[in-house]
Amino acid sequence: DAKTTQPPSMDCAEGRAANLPCNHSTISGNEYVYWYRQIHSQGPQYIIHGLKNNETNEMASLIITEDRKSSTLILPHATLRDTAVYYCIVRDLNTGTASKLTFGTGTRLQVTL
Amino acid sequence: KAGVTQTPRYLIKTRGQQVTLSCSPISGHRSVSWYQQTPGQGLQFLFEYFSETQRNKGNFPGRFSGRQFSNSRSEMNVSTLELGDSALYLCASTGLAATDTQYFGPGTRLTVL
Repeated sequence: DAKTTQPPSMDCAEGRAANLPCNHSTISGNEYVYWYRQIHSQGPQYIIHGLKNNETNEMASLIITEDRKSSTLILPHATLRDTAVYYCIVRDLNTGTASKLTFGTGTRLQVTL
Repeated sequence: KAGVTQTPRYLIKTRGQQVTLSCSPISGHRSVSWYQQTPGQGLQFLFEYFSETQRNKGNFPGRFSGRQFSNSRSEMNVSTLELGDSALYLCASTGLAATDTQYFGPGTRLTVL
């Protein structure tokens, strides 16, 4: 079972920031939070990941709460091309299982004009 | 650096047949994971190969099998196809470190008639 909970869908106006929440209340100390997105029937695309500090890259920012029980992915200026299903994943860094990602149902983000 | 490639991209088979799908990981990556995505079950982990050995396995019947070659390329095979095997099959590769990000290919769309 997925260790994360996400809202099933969200809307965002183009040009505005999209804030996608994720709850991972049972996360353990060595588990990272990863975000991927999947644009209609393509392979999931890596966005960003973090352990406990906030992270930013050219695609997005990741804000992780101090207790690490939740996080928010921020797309600062959403465009129509950001319409996709966004998956929040908790990844166990145990070498034996680090490549076994457990996907939940994700959040379907619809960006509109 | 080239991404993960999968062949073929689309495939149509009939019940009872078998199918082999191929995946070439990112150069230098030695871990290859396979996932099945269906509308009903979402994205589910099938198995992972590392250095030609199966390292992790999901909860799928024995009809689903795989292998990895010395150049890290991987194949997965599904025997005695069933209608329910119609899905998008995704391959992902990961670098040497457990913390390395997993990158996905575009997938193979299998339709079983």
